[in-house]
Amino acid sequence: QSALTQPASVSGSPGQSITISCTGTSSDIGNYNHVSWYQQHPGKAPKLIIYAVSNRPSGISNRFSGSKSGNTASLTISGLQADDETDYYCSSYTTTNTLVIFGGGTKLTVL
Amino acid sequence: EVQLVESGGGLVQPGGSLRLSCAVSGFTVSNYYMGWVRQAPGKGLEWVSVVYSGGGDTYYVDSVKGRFTISRDNSKNTLYLQMNSLRPEDTAVYYCARVRANYYQLDYWGQGTLVTVSS
Repeated sequence: QSALTQPASVSGSPGQSITISCTGTSSDIGNYNHVSWYQQHPGKAPKLIIYAVSNRPSGISNRFSGSKSGNTASLTISGLQADDETDYYCSSYTTTNTLVIFGGGTKLTVL
Repeated sequence: EVQLVESGGGLVQPGGSLRLSCAVSGFTVSNYYMGWVRQAPGKGLEWVSVVYSGGGDTYYVDSVKGRFTISRDNSKNTLYLQMNSLRPEDTAVYYCARVRANYYQLDYWGQGTLVTVSS
């Protein structure tokens, strides 16, 4: 099964907001709220920042928020900071026998 | 404190085998879904396999079916990934992670172990 579709890169200035999209199908995002987002700094393990479309784990800044419309989920980061510059991945439950599918990843650049 | 520590990676020739281990502390592996995710050099994340809690049903991405086996040792609180018939395209950092059953989010990850398949 193909990966969820994310833009390869997005950019924004400090203090601004950006949104990263994640497009799937009715087999995953479209019919399930099992969407998660991960932040991964170079050489480090991914870190969960959003689950169940819009929920933040304990300790994650409220500058990170998630939403979903149809087959597309979105991650919004407000008040951009230099440390936000890294890679972001979405994931979703899928009805295929793989169970979980990831997006291809988006590199965020803080200008 | 929750910790997941992978080991067992290394250099192996095509067609060879490796067994990865993920030693867990801070929770009981048999009570949770546990999974493996890999990341080829410079590439994105790829879901590999999961083992359910309880009865231990397992699932695999198509590209590793019949070659990889996920298992756990409850007495050692450790997750394993037995990898056979390895191919160059299996080269990646392999992460173990705890998978929450409600929304399939991976809430704790290990630091990863590198597997290189090359002659």
